[in-house]
Amino acid sequence: AQSVTQPDIHITVSEGASLELRCNYSYGATPYLFWYVQSPGQGLQLLLKYFSGDTLVQGIKGFEAEFKRSQSSFNLRKPSVHWSDAAEYFCAVGLSGRDKVIFGPGTSLSVIP
Amino acid sequence: DGGITQSPKYLFRKEGQNVTLSCEQNLNHDAMYWYRQDPGQGLRLIYYSQIVNDFQKGDIAEGYSVSREKKESFPLTVTSAQKNPTAFYLCASTISGQSNQPQHFGYGTRLSIL
Repeated sequence: AQSVTQPDIHITVSEGASLELRCNYSYGATPYLFWYVQSPGQGLQLLLKYFSGDTLVQGIKGFEAEFKRSQSSFNLRKPSVHWSDAAEYFCAVGLSGRDKVIFGPGTSLSVIP
Repeated sequence: DGGITQSPKYLFRKEGQNVTLSCEQNLNHDAMYWYRQDPGQGLRLIYYSQIVNDFQKGDIAEGYSVSREKKESFPLTVTSAQKNPTAFYLCASTISGQSNQPQHFGYGTRLSIL
């Protein structure tokens, strides 16, 4: 069955430290890949997306993600975390020719001052 | 500014009562979606619509109903058949419903049982 996993339910980092949030998917072909961020009580905002081409994509708020086909992964990174980055992060996957997107369970990020 | 408006922000349901969550968009998007969010489970698709007067069931449609009479509106009714309706509900839209398009989200409605 098609699935999206985010192995880390909760991560805590210190402000200024680097961050990596993991995302793995199980599909036969290369999917469309997205990362969204959700602040408490809010909707989701798109951080970045990957469809094809360069496997390292840049997004908003200083985030980047790298697609690794061999590992079926699309990990999100940020070199220096700010307190305002504390939020829930969702990885999402869409399949070519389909009309739905599947969301991972999310990773909650806390930032220590 | 274009966007998606969900109302109300908080909603309370009594036992045996149907309640309707509103979702309106002024983005001129063809496709609209309803998701349910529970802690630790991510977003689960309830219903989606790619065109006016047409909609499809998602993964957890039981106990819910929708209508799409206008392009900009996609209301969700939580019926009394939904035995565990307490959750955060998110409405989203995309330009034409293809899975390579980013979804635009509203701010959500939190539904609780009285």
